[in-house]
Amino acid sequence: DAKTTQPPSMDCAEGRAANLPCNHSTISGNEYVYWYRQIHSQGPQYIIHGLKNNETNEMASLIITEDRKSSTLILPHATLRDTAVYYCIVRATDSGYSTLTFGKGTMLLVSP
Amino acid sequence: DTGVSQDPRHKITKRGQNVTFRCDPISEHNRLYWYRQTLGQGPEFLTYFQNEAQLEKSRLLSDRFSAERPKGSFSTLEIQRTEQGDSAMYLCASSLAGARDTQYFGPGTRLTVL
Repeated sequence: DAKTTQPPSMDCAEGRAANLPCNHSTISGNEYVYWYRQIHSQGPQYIIHGLKNNETNEMASLIITEDRKSSTLILPHATLRDTAVYYCIVRATDSGYSTLTFGKGTMLLVSP
Repeated sequence: DTGVSQDPRHKITKRGQNVTFRCDPISEHNRLYWYRQTLGQGPEFLTYFQNEAQLEKSRLLSDRFSAERPKGSFSTLEIQRTEQGDSAMYLCASSLAGARDTQYFGPGTRLTVL
């Protein structure tokens, strides 16, 4: 699986949009971009994933650049409960199973 | 609650003791994964089951570690002769084989070896 690069930490004011970037310049054509988050002392929580097109669900939006070398996770109205470590992972899923390779992620701190 | 569950949530043991953790996946999921997470690091893959078959093991899984999924439902992870370096969060995830194959994680078991 390709590696990803994320900033180690980011701050966001409550109620504002949080935009978390991820670089994955060596991503392959069959690799998806996944986002998970981990609130302190809990298991990782799946947020969203995408291949080429932008995706949106009830939690977040995922914007993938046209060349697929980077992406941005958007939390439209961040709350204090969104404070967590956010992991961007690229993963192939068209050749059987594949495990998730986590980096260190981005620690997002949402402040009042 | 139909998510992944793990038991116990916390375990404190003395060095040299054996410990066993249990994971109950989401009921229709046929794939089950174990990960380990140490302080300040992201989770690291340990092993993977499809139904009852253990199909892959990481080099992190030493001979003291054994995992089973006897009926393709719940799984156990046993650590024999625990060492202080085994102190970590042990995470279980499950998924349904297919195009999405998204892994959903349990709350983890926090192991402290004294």
